[in-house]
Amino acid sequence: DAGVIQSPRHEVTEMGQEVTLRCKPISGHNSLFWYRQTMMRGLELLIYFNNNVPIDDSGMPEDRFSAKMPNASFSTLKIQPSEPRDSAVYFCASRPQDRDEQYFGPGTRLTVT
Amino acid sequence: QQQVKQSPQSLIVQKGGISIINCAYENTAFDYFPWYQQFPGKGPALLIAIRPDVSEKKEGRFTISFNKSAKQFSLHIMDSQPGDSATYFCAANSGGYQKVTFGIGTKLQVIP
Repeated sequence: DAGVIQSPRHEVTEMGQEVTLRCKPISGHNSLFWYRQTMMRGLELLIYFNNNVPIDDSGMPEDRFSAKMPNASFSTLKIQPSEPRDSAVYFCASRPQDRDEQYFGPGTRLTVT
Repeated sequence: QQQVKQSPQSLIVQKGGISIINCAYENTAFDYFPWYQQFPGKGPALLIAIRPDVSEKKEGRFTISFNKSAKQFSLHIMDSQPGDSATYFCAANSGGYQKVTFGIGTKLQVIP
């Protein structure tokens, strides 16, 4: 299995620009999670989906952040407009049904200048 | 509110020594306690996990000790090796949709 796939791996953008991060979960997994990792705050859950439905988006920092999961094999996390404080590594993870372990992707390192 | 408190934030251990990382939780509804290992430039990967019906789980050199009454659990790495140098996260979640709460992480360095 290819594992969780994220793209791009690195993104550098200017403040005010729109950023879209992409994730392809492991085939057959029915839950998908978006996390943000920073030195100061560690690993934070932003939002998670179960069977393509958003279950909890309480971790989304503000309205500039949005996430979609149009089908079982694809999800996006969008930041519009981006700000320097959004600079972080964003991880996507997926989980199979009736199992506890999550499988993380390699992450997208976002730098907003 | 930090529901899972992890310490220390950094740890230096000599090769062959024992690495110990501690975590404490508040939510008594938590029923699954995984540890994740993260190498630089990589995503976290599940290392070992425990449920509260047992007090200890061992997999190779890695052991989780769990104290339900104290609401604490810890990771012990026996015979620590330089290849164990990574960041370790404890986590906890309860049933249902499995929202996981992570600790702040411990950066472990094993020196030769």
